[in-house]
Amino acid sequence: KAGVTQTPRYLIKTRGQQVTLSCSPISGHRSVSWYQQTPGQGLQFLFEYFSETQRNKGNFPGRFSGRQFSNSRSEMNVSTLELGDSALYLCASSSISPGTSGNEQFFGPGTRLTVL
Amino acid sequence: GENVEQHPSTLSVQEGDSAVIKCTYSDSASNYFPWYKQELGKRPQLIIDIRSNVGEKKDQRIAVTLNKTAKHFSLHITETQPEDSAVYFCAAPGTYKYIFGTGTRLKVLA
Repeated sequence: KAGVTQTPRYLIKTRGQQVTLSCSPISGHRSVSWYQQTPGQGLQFLFEYFSETQRNKGNFPGRFSGRQFSNSRSEMNVSTLELGDSALYLCASSSISPGTSGNEQFFGPGTRLTVL
Repeated sequence: GENVEQHPSTLSVQEGDSAVIKCTYSDSASNYFPWYKQELGKRPQLIIDIRSNVGEKKDQRIAVTLNKTAKHFSLHITETQPEDSAVYFCAAPGTYKYIFGTGTRLKVLA
């Protein structure tokens, strides 16, 4: 089975621009979660999608948005980029639901976003 | 609120020694606790997990213990090797998400 893939792997943008990141989950997985990873803040939860529905959202401004398609692929968008948005963005997929059901999350390699 | 505290933030041990990383969670309903290892430049990968109906689980040199009463769980690595050097994250379940600890950077000194 192919693992979780993310594109692009690296991205350089300037302040004020917007960016779209893509995540393809493991075949058969319907849940996709997104995390922001920065050196001092660890893994911060952005949102989780299941069957095209956002079921949970972390404490991020409205500039961060996402969606999920019928094939479970997911995209996240960041508008009006700020310097502080520079981070590694990781997506993770699981078969049913992360959290209390105890389903393992499999992470993608991440997209490293640099905002200049 | 949902919170996971992880200690220490950095840990240096001599090769062959043991390492222990501790996490505390807040939601008493939590019932599944995974540990992830992230090597430099790579994605986090699950190394061991434990469910609330057991107190300890071992996998070769790695073990996890769970104290539900105290809401603590710990990762134990014995006979550490240089390839154990990485950042380790604990996690506890939240609503349709995992809540991650802030990570522990483990350095195994040869």
